[in-house]
Amino acid sequence: KQEVTQIPAALSVPEGENLVLNCSFTDSAIYNLQWFRQDPGKGLTSLLLIQSSQREQTSGRLNASLDKSSGRSTLYIAASQPGDSATYLCAVTPRSGGSNYKLTFGKGTLLTVNP
Amino acid sequence: SAVISQKPSRDICQRGTSLTIQCQVDSQVTMMFWYRQQPGQSLTLIATANQGSEATYESGFVIDKFPISRPNLTFSTLTVSNMSPEDSSIYLCSVEGAGRGEQYFGPGTRLTVT
Repeated sequence: KQEVTQIPAALSVPEGENLVLNCSFTDSAIYNLQWFRQDPGKGLTSLLLIQSSQREQTSGRLNASLDKSSGRSTLYIAASQPGDSATYLCAVTPRSGGSNYKLTFGKGTLLTVNP
Repeated sequence: SAVISQKPSRDICQRGTSLTIQCQVDSQVTMMFWYRQQPGQSLTLIATANQGSEATYESGFVIDKFPISRPNLTFSTLTVSNMSPEDSSIYLCSVEGAGRGEQYFGPGTRLTVT
């Protein structure tokens, strides 16, 4: 059974700092990995999607990497801003045929960026 | 990407009652998904809803408790039946984008059962 772990559970940084969020998964047979952002009491916003054949994806100040063999992904946020404060969730989908849509989520990292 | 709306955005319900949550997508999609996020926990898939067939439920979730309808390619409903305080959660619907396996989520329905 796939398990996804995110470390740290919470992180508080001053504005402008670069930071890294970590995600690990137990089964390396994944179809893709997706990073989401969730604001308090709200739904999820997709940030980055990395296919299993890719090593990294970038969008603006965000960069996500994937090391499938070691079961790890990182989300790098450059020059953090107070508006980045949210919970960041990592999710993987399995490579198994016919069910590569079933996301398994980590519990998330609660990020607070202080002005 | 897909634009997804949910109704209601939040509700407070009494135990023993039922609530139906609606999910509307701005484009036709084959598969729609319903997730639950209990307080302090991550998201758990409840079921997958395909148009024209019965929903497929994940382990631990049953149709009598969470009946789902999927009348067309842009709409689905999830009913939380005979509610108890343990059903207090955020319920989210999602759809899969075309091609890359990316999933998009609605804004969620925050349910509190008293």
